[in-house]
Formats: sequence, structure tokens, C-alpha cells
Amino acid sequence: KQEVTQIPAALSVPEGENLVLNCSFTDSAIYNLQWFRQDPGKGLTSLLLIQSSQREQTSGRLNASLDKSSGRSTLYIAASQPGDSATYLCAVRNSGAGSYQLTFGKGTKLSVIP
Amino acid sequence: DAGVTQSPTHLIKTRGQQVTLRCSPISGHKSVSWYQQVLGQGPQFIFQYYEKEERGRGNFPDRFSARQFPNYSSELNVNALLLGDSALYLCASSLQRLNTEAFFGQGTRLTVV
Repeated sequence: KQEVTQIPAALSVPEGENLVLNCSFTDSAIYNLQWFRQDPGKGLTSLLLIQSSQREQTSGRLNASLDKSSGRSTLYIAASQPGDSATYLCAVRNSGAGSYQLTFGKGTKLSVIP
Repeated sequence: DAGVTQSPTHLIKTRGQQVTLRCSPISGHKSVSWYQQVLGQGPQFIFQYYEKEERGRGNFPDRFSARQFPNYSSELNVNALLLGDSALYLCASSLQRLNTEAFFGQGTRLTVV
């Protein structure tokens, strides 16, 4: 059974800092990994999708990497801003049994202090 | 283009009642999935529908059911509501069933009293 872990559970940084969020998964047989942002009480906003054959994806100040063999992904946020404050979730889609579902971590709650 | 839309946004129900939640996917998307998110946890998978057929079911009781219509919109039904069903219910749509990006709606907040 796929399990996804996100560390740390919460993170507080001053504005302007670069930061890294971590995601690990137990089963490396995946189609893809997706990073999401969730504001309090709201739905999920897709940030980046990395296919299993890719090593990284970039969008603006965000860069996500994937090391499938070690079961790890990182989300790098450059020059953080107060508007980046939210919970960040990673999710994987297995390539074998259970491929119909995304398996989520519990998220990292990020606070960027002005 | 409109994103994934869910209705209603908030709902309060009494224990034992039944509820229907609705989801309209992004135009052209054929796959719709439902997730339940309780406070402080990541979303948990409930159902996936693709081309109007159920393709996957999560570890939820039979009180939960869903369907997908010819226009690819979907409904999630929950019978005999329990207090523990209180959660944010999220709908996701994607172009294909497996290896494409999933886009989520704003969710329906269900409170069971």
C-alpha cells in the first residue's frame, strides 16, 4: 500500500527566504507525482505535475524534483512571499494496483512572515 | 474556460439524512474523481469514474455511491449520514484516466449535526 509522508508538518520563514518542502513515498512504481497548494477551507490548486520519466519541473519561482528510485520529491520555492502562505500537498499516482487514485500526504503548512 | 465547479459550497445535514453533491468537470475532461478531506489530513480517495463507468473505489462504506452522466458531470450520494461524514468533499477532473494532471474544484463543506 502506497504511503506518502511530508516533512516538516509546518514551517515558518521570513519573507524573501528560499525554502524546500519534502515528500517521500514508499512504492516507487508510480505514473506521476503532483504538488498542490491549498488555502484554508478551499480546494486544491495544482502547482506542478512530474511524470515518472522526468527529473524536475519548473513554474515561475517553483521547482519540483523527483527521484523515483529513492521515493523522494522536493518542492523548492524561491524568494518566498507572504502570499505563498498555504498548505502544500504532494500526491502520487501508482502505476500498478490502485492507479485510479491519487495518494496524498498530510501536507506542510507554510507561513511566510512579512 | 471554467474550472471544476462543485455545488453546493456548504451544506448542513442532520444525522441519518441523505445528501447529494454535484460536480462539473473541465470541458473535455472525461475522468471525475471524488475525495474526502477531514481537518488536518490529506484527501482520501472515494471514487473514480471514467467514460461513465466506475473505475475505482476507495475504502468507504456502501453508504457512499456515485455516478457519472453522459455530459461527464458527476454526483456523489451519501446515505444515512453520520457525524464522522463531516468533511470537505473534493471533486477532481482530468483529461484521461491515469497519467494526466488532476484539477480540483473548490469543494463542498458538509457538516452533519
